[in-house]
Amino acid sequence: SYVVTQPPSVSVAPGQTARITCGGDNIGSKSVHWYQQRPGQAPVLVVYDDSERPSGIPERFSGSNSGTTATLTISSVEAKDEADFFCQVSDSTSEHPVFGGGTKLTVL
Amino acid sequence: EVQLVESGGDLAKPGRSLRLSCTASGFMFGDYPMGWVRQAPGKGLEWVGFIRSNFYGGTAEYAASVKGRFTISIDDSQNVAYLQLNGLKTEDTAVYYCTRAGFDGNGDYYFDYWGLGTLVTVSS
Repeated sequence: SYVVTQPPSVSVAPGQTARITCGGDNIGSKSVHWYQQRPGQAPVLVVYDDSERPSGIPERFSGSNSGTTATLTISSVEAKDEADFFCQVSDSTSEHPVFGGGTKLTVL
Repeated sequence: EVQLVESGGDLAKPGRSLRLSCTASGFMFGDYPMGWVRQAPGKGLEWVGFIRSNFYGGTAEYAASVKGRFTISIDDSQNVAYLQLNGLKTEDTAVYYCTRAGFDGNGDYYFDYWGLGTLVTVSS
């Protein structure tokens, strides 16, 4: 089955830009979706279809996808952005959703 | 406002069964696929399964780890999705989230709304 790989952790100072990657074989041909999960809360969709933002998600959140890497970019990081972030794609063969292992974003 | 409220989580012994419910409101329930995603304590997200809307046949797909043991169904008249968990194993211990699914640019699924989750603990 398709495997997506995320770094376990990313750290960034407030006001800086955080980049969280999601790697996979030819992932650029897939649609990638990103979820934010704050401690003790349910996940929230923050980017879908590589770069689209749902209503209510700040413009600071953006996404890109090309080749073997998709990237979630969070600009002007704030303390409240500290959370776990998960990417999700679908396996081409089974059409089943697949989640990355998650990246813990720490705001220093 | 879209709302998904799960219920039914409990402590169960290995081999026993549970049924989780997800009551939906704020959208046309019959128009959307519904999914379940779980999260074991301190772990990441794991897709469990989804069910297509009745318009698309009402069929379900399951992760290999639960296929043959778990069953998803929907009641359009009550706006409720169910997850029947049979033959529970200790590794099924997790928070189970109900999700509304949408179609991405490739016609595959993503999850645009999530409930708060319900905890299933499997232990002897």
